[in-house]
Amino acid sequence: EVQLVESGGGLVQPGASLKLSCVASGFTFSDYWMSWVRQTPGKTMEWIGDIKYDGSYTNYAPSLKNRFTISRDNAKSTLYLQMSNVRSEDTATYYCTIGAFITTVPFDYWGQGVMVTVSS
Amino acid sequence: DIVLTQAPLSVSVTPGESASISCRSSKSLLSSKGITSLYWYLQRPGKSPQLLIYQMSNLASGVPDRFSSSGSETDFTLKISKVETEDVGVYYCGHRLEYPLTFGSGTKLEIK
Repeated sequence: EVQLVESGGGLVQPGASLKLSCVASGFTFSDYWMSWVRQTPGKTMEWIGDIKYDGSYTNYAPSLKNRFTISRDNAKSTLYLQMSNVRSEDTATYYCTIGAFITTVPFDYWGQGVMVTVSS
Repeated sequence: DIVLTQAPLSVSVTPGESASISCRSSKSLLSSKGITSLYWYLQRPGKSPQLLIYQMSNLASGVPDRFSSSGSETDFTLKISKVETEDVGVYYCGHRLEYPLTFGSGTKLEIK
């Protein structure tokens, strides 16, 4: 069974840093690109970025690339999101996702999400 | 960035009736490989989003055939036939044509 379990969220002050983790199981983590997506309290869905299966390449939403960094540790089957200089508008539920295809069949899973609240 | 505009914001449906949700793209979602890169997701209350439809018209595994999707290169419609109570939630369209990926603003389906 595929599982994506996020952790590391919570209440954080504006300007601080926070690192989210996502532990994957039930599939060969090192074979797949992985992504982060967030959902604001108003339910707006925003793609944050993704990382290549070997960690050698990343893509980011232009509005976030200067503050957010995605990385992975394939030995630990873990995906990370480093958030820096957080702002109130970063308050959201953060999802670890995989949206791939195995031949022509979608391999699409989302974690349960982790909440991040930015407030003083 | 590609803007996806969903309508309506919410829809209230009697069980057994049909519902339609529209998604309009600011750019053609037809890729150079001839695939239309439009996806539909359902987020049930308190749950994570799940994939319903991929590449505009293909049902994801386990999705009942009451769900269907069609469209052109920029205009898409998700249709739910014979709505059931389990269909309640927020429906999002999204694309994977190019970076950055974007989503529509969501359509909330409620049961009358």
